[in-house]
Amino acid sequence: QKEVEQNSGPLSVPEGAIASLNCTYSDRGSQSFFWYRQYSGKSPELIMFIYSNGDKEDGRFTAQLNKASQYVSLLIRDSQPSDSATYLCAVNVGYGNKLVFGAGTILRVKS
Amino acid sequence: EAGVVQSPRYKIIEKKQPVAFWCNPISGHNTLYWYRQNLGQGPELLIRYENEEAVDDSQLPKDRFSAERLKGVDSTLKIQPAELGDSAVYLCASSSEGRRGNYGYTFGSGTRLTVV
Repeated sequence: QKEVEQNSGPLSVPEGAIASLNCTYSDRGSQSFFWYRQYSGKSPELIMFIYSNGDKEDGRFTAQLNKASQYVSLLIRDSQPSDSATYLCAVNVGYGNKLVFGAGTILRVKS
Repeated sequence: EAGVVQSPRYKIIEKKQPVAFWCNPISGHNTLYWYRQNLGQGPELLIRYENEEAVDDSQLPKDRFSAERLKGVDSTLKIQPAELGDSAVYLCASSSEGRRGNYGYTFGSGTRLTVV
């Protein structure tokens, strides 16, 4: 089992819709969870982090964490074509500040 | 604030040749990481530094890869000799830590290595 798993997609949503991206992780001791956005040919860019169970909102983005289910998700409201990118889930694993990344989910927002 | 600076942006070399990548982290970030990202995959950690000490190099292929971070600031990653399978994007990142741990990494623009 991979440490961090994501559906590779592509996930296609119409402009203005809600995009829902999901991630599961295997290390029950993980405490920190991150979402990165990566445009084609660019490096990953941090968009959200969450430490506590529940929801964390930042503008159009909402991160949701359920530690009991080892599940973290990212909701993007009012999706825009500019949101089209690969979204990487990253989880803090083990001792220290090591982040393990999932393979990413490709999101396509169609206008 | 300047971000994480990497050079070169692109490098094409023949197999068996050496290659080196350079990284300058964000000022004040004591933790520096080298990741490798293959096409269609997420970044994979190669080595992590806390100041000048390599605290996690378990995934660094030590027969051909080496890294250093002199004075706890800039870092270089070297491959010698390069193999075809080393073609990838090499990402440097840095982070600072707060009360609840790290707040996520900031990545540099990466070096795209092509071995032919």
